[in-house]
Amino acid sequence: DTEVTQTPKHLVMGMTNKKSLKCEQHMGHRAMYWYKQKAKKPPELMFVYSYEKLSINESVPSRFSPECPNSSLLNLHLHALQPEDSALYLCASSQTQGNTIYFGEGSWLTVV
Amino acid sequence: EDKVVQSPLSLVVHEGDTVTLNCSYEVTNFRSLLWYKQEKKAPTFLFMLTSSGIEKKSGRLSSILDKKELFSILNITATQTGDSAIYLCAVEITSGTYKYIFGTGTRLKVLA
Repeated sequence: DTEVTQTPKHLVMGMTNKKSLKCEQHMGHRAMYWYKQKAKKPPELMFVYSYEKLSINESVPSRFSPECPNSSLLNLHLHALQPEDSALYLCASSQTQGNTIYFGEGSWLTVV
Repeated sequence: EDKVVQSPLSLVVHEGDTVTLNCSYEVTNFRSLLWYKQEKKAPTFLFMLTSSGIEKKSGRLSSILDKKELFSILNITATQTGDSAIYLCAVEITSGTYKYIFGTGTRLKVLA
């Protein structure tokens, strides 16, 4: 079972709002990822957590703040976003970094 | 600069046709190449290739890697309308840590 669960599936937020995207996996994977995907573009890596520690931050603006409370959960806190941040946000996990990554179904974010 | 290029960008075929999708790469520290299928949601994993010349098969789909010429192909035989999707190629590199570089994808449409 390769299941990565993301909530919410859809989110509309204003530019002054604070919201969070959540991701959960119970496969015992120790690497978790956030990707951003705009329409007709491939996924772009944002953050990687390895063993609950931030391993990669791809120079993402500080209005995106990741958090890994434990080995099963990954959050992405959103604050003061811009309309151009509207996209599909994909969470993924892998057994460890360097193993096949499996994606969740994504959270569609619209910033108005 | 590391890059992954997929071709064609889009393709329209009829049911029953055979298609070949291409992925070429120029990266340092290649580790593996992965194929994903993306419909309207998150990418789903198809194949992971690490060794040259060894074909991976799953039903009507097969894939092979050529590490000398730096490319991979994904073949789909007897296409069906359910094969309509974007096919993403991702190359994993190691440079102190592990990262995936995605190609832009091939948009396949299979007509009944």
